[in-house]
Amino acid sequence: ELKVEQNPLFLSMQEGKNYTIYCNYSTTSDRLYWYRQDPGKSLESLFVLLSNGAVKQEGRLMASLDTKARLSTLHITAAVHDLSATYFCAVRIGDAGNMLTFGGGTRLMVKP
Amino acid sequence: EPEVTQTPSHQVTQMGQEVILRCVPISNHLYFYWYRQILGQKVEFLVSFYNNEISEKSEIFDDQFSVERPDGSNFTLKIRSTKLEDSAMYFCASSPQAGYGYTFGSGTRLTVV
Repeated sequence: ELKVEQNPLFLSMQEGKNYTIYCNYSTTSDRLYWYRQDPGKSLESLFVLLSNGAVKQEGRLMASLDTKARLSTLHITAAVHDLSATYFCAVRIGDAGNMLTFGGGTRLMVKP
Repeated sequence: EPEVTQTPSHQVTQMGQEVILRCVPISNHLYFYWYRQILGQKVEFLVSFYNNEISEKSEIFDDQFSVERPDGSNFTLKIRSTKLEDSAMYFCASSPQAGYGYTFGSGTRLTVV
């Protein structure tokens, strides 16, 4: 059974600081997704990472993937209040269908 | 930008009643999904649907659940006899390819009382 674990589960940080969210998964995967969710809202796609060493950046967020370590990171640079949300990673098992298995989420609060 | 549309946004129902949650996927997408999220918890896969049949389902998706694409545009999730523990946010999603390019809808909050 695929397990996807995120840490930390909760992160409170000051504006301007940097931090990293980690996503570990337990079996081989060919795709890893990062989503953002605002309270009571839907899942907004941030990144999809397809191969070992993949790195993608959008604004203050940068995601990377190490398939050998089964680890993805979401790095936040110089956080701003608008980044406050819950961030989920999700993994698809290669050739095993279409379902995504989500991590437990990291609730990020950025304080002014 | 194309959207996945879900209705209603909020549904309150009594335990034991049947509910139908509705979704209109993106028109050129071929794969359809339902996920749920119990309040404050992670998102869980329920079922995927392709070529007018279920392609995968999770353990959560038992005999009380069914899906249908009745008219080529709508995609529905039916819960036959709701239980308190079915209270959750239900998300519909669609994708143009298997396992890639998911777009999630805004969700239906189901409250079973």
